Amino acid sequence: GAGVSQSPRYKVAKRGQDVALRCDPISGHVSLFWYQQALGQGPEFLTYFQNEAQLDKSGLPSDRFFAERPEGSVSTLKIQRTQQEDSAVYLCASSPGQGVNEQYFGPGTRLTVT
Amino acid sequence: KQEVTQIPAALSVPEGENLVLNCSFTDSAIYNLQWFRQDPGKGLTSLLLIQSSQREQTSGRLNASLDKSSGRSTLYIAASQPGDSATYLCAVRDMEYGNKLVFGAGTILRVKS
Repeated sequence: GAGVSQSPRYKVAKRGQDVALRCDPISGHVSLFWYQQALGQGPEFLTYFQNEAQLDKSGLPSDRFFAERPEGSVSTLKIQRTQQEDSAVYLCASSPGQGVNEQYFGPGTRLTVT
Repeated sequence: KQEVTQIPAALSVPEGENLVLNCSFTDSAIYNLQWFRQDPGKGLTSLLLIQSSQREQTSGRLNASLDKSSGRSTLYIAASQPGDSATYLCAVRDMEYGNKLVFGAGTILRVKS
C-alpha cells in the first residue's frame, strides 16, 4: 500500500514568510510524528499526535512552530516568520498504534530559508 | 536525557568486505532500537527493529544486535555492495520520553566497486 507522503518536497522561503508543510500518514495509523533534520545530523523530535490529540510538543523549537492534525489523519506543520536557522529537512513518520510500534517515515520536505 | 552516539562517523570499504557499525546510548531504559538507512535527499528506510527483550534481528545480509545493559548495538553488513552506500542511523525509543525516537548522527558508508 501507499507509504507516508509529504508535500511539498522542496520549499524555498524568504526570511519572514510563513510556510505550511503537509504530511499524509499511512491510512489507519494512529500515531504521527514530526522530526527536524539539520544537514549532517540525525533527525530531532518536534511533536507527536495520537489521532487528533497533540500529546507531546516538547521538541518544537519556538512558538513560531505550530502543528495540527484536526481529523486524526493529515497533519500540517506551520512555521511562522521563518528564520535562516529553520532551514532543514522536515520528516513525518506514522505508526499503527500507540507505544512501541515501528515508525514509518516519509521522504521529507527540504526547507531553505533565504 | 538520552543521547545516542554512532561510530565511526564515516566509513569507506571495498566491495565484498564485511563491516560493523556501532551505536551506543546513555540510558538503558528503552522500549526498542531501530536501524535506518537514508539515501541522499531521501527519507528514512527502516532496516531492523529490535525490541528491548530481544538480543538480535536479522534480515538478509544485515544483522543487528542489542546489549541493553551496556547501552550498545551493532549493525553487521555481510559481503558489502556498492548499493549499500548510504547513511545509516540508529534510534532508540526510551521509556522516559515515551513515543519519540532519539537518533544518532549517523554513519556515512561508502562501498567502493
